[in-house]
Amino acid sequence: RKEVEQDPGPFNVPEGATVAFNCTYSNSASQSFFWYRQDCRKEPKLLMSVYSSGNEDGRFTAQLNRASQYISLLIRDSKLSDSATYLCVVNGKSTFGDGTTLTVKP
Amino acid sequence: DAGVIQSPRHEVTEMGQEVTLRCKPISGHNSLFWYRQTMMRGLELLIYFNNNVPIDDSGMPEDRFSAKMPNASFSTLKIQPSEPRDSAVYFCASSSRQPGGQETQYFGPGTRLLVL
Repeated sequence: RKEVEQDPGPFNVPEGATVAFNCTYSNSASQSFFWYRQDCRKEPKLLMSVYSSGNEDGRFTAQLNRASQYISLLIRDSKLSDSATYLCVVNGKSTFGDGTTLTVKP
Repeated sequence: DAGVIQSPRHEVTEMGQEVTLRCKPISGHNSLFWYRQTMMRGLELLIYFNNNVPIDDSGMPEDRFSAKMPNASFSTLKIQPSEPRDSAVYFCASSSRQPGGQETQYFGPGTRLLVL
């Protein structure tokens, strides 16, 4: 089993939709969690950290469920510009998920 | 801040040739990471350094790969001899520990390597 697993998608949603991705991790001792965004042929860029109490940044909400060992990313009112691959990272150093591809359509 | 700088951005070489990828981390960051990304295998950590010292090189595929960090502002990843299966995008990233304990990685633009 992989250390970090994501549904690869693709998720195809219309503009304005709400979409959520989950990322499960196997190491219960994991302490740091992040979501990165990667556009086609570009480098991954930090989207947001994930805090134990959950956190929000505009249209984006990240949550951590330690009991079930997953983190989630919720995107509200999705925009065309949200189309990208979303990577979860556990422990901040090396364990990247394979990414979930999101396409937002007009 | 210039961000993480990588060179070259693109490299096309023939099988058997030596390839050297270069990285300049963000000033003040004390951790540096080399990743390889392919469609088949996703983003894989090859090696990471902390304060210029290699900490974990378990992801380095084989002896053909080597990495050095002679000082805080420069690192190289060398492949000798290169093979077609080494074709990938190679990313360098750097990070520093935040007051809350988390480390956020910042990636360079990557080097697209094609080995013919």
